[in-house]
Amino acid sequence: GAGVSQSPSNKVTEKGKDVELRCDPISGHTALYWYRQSLGQGLEFLIYFQGNSAPDKSGLPSDRFSAERTGGSVSTLTIQRTQQEDSAVYLCASSPGPVSQETQYFGPGTRLLVL
Amino acid sequence: AQSVAQPEDQVNVAEGNPLTVKCTYSVSGNPYLFWYVQYPNRGLQFLLKYITGDNLVKGSYGFEAEFNKSQTSFHLKKPSALVSDSALYFCAVRETPGSARQLTFGSGTQLTVLP
Repeated sequence: GAGVSQSPSNKVTEKGKDVELRCDPISGHTALYWYRQSLGQGLEFLIYFQGNSAPDKSGLPSDRFSAERTGGSVSTLTIQRTQQEDSAVYLCASSPGPVSQETQYFGPGTRLLVL
Repeated sequence: AQSVAQPEDQVNVAEGNPLTVKCTYSVSGNPYLFWYVQYPNRGLQFLLKYITGDNLVKGSYGFEAEFNKSQTSFHLKKPSALVSDSALYFCAVRETPGSARQLTFGSGTQLTVLP
């Protein structure tokens, strides 16, 4: 079956612009996660959704970052007024439900470059 | 708090030789442990996980990992390395019980298998 998909695969933007990153989880997966992978920082957790609710937003680095999920499926991560330090690969993952032993399956990521 | 350490940034091994990628963890409760592999410009692919039971876990592509509670380790192993195994490997942990649903990742180990 289809895996997690993300779009765009690459995004180049100018400092100060807003960007939207999209994630389509595996069909039927109720849990969705956003992570950020950057040089020197490794993989950082950003936000977790269960259904359309986000019980854990603890990883969002600033109020410029927000995310939503609609219909228990597609999620959008929005970065407002982008800064150069936002340059990274943004990874989305999904799992069947909130049970902590479940495997998270990752998408290919969106590579964001802020000039 | 949960944390993971991958003490080696880089591991080189000759094709056909056994390989080991090291991982140690720290949790307050019990760990759920995962290994993922990342090929260039790709997302993370799940290899294997330890939840409970047998300390030796077998996964995809001939990889296995051994859970050692006394040493708080979960090293990834393969009896005979292939050039195609060259990639970036991440160990991850989630503790249980615990409210956090996200994975905490190690910094990654670049494995190079030399022909």
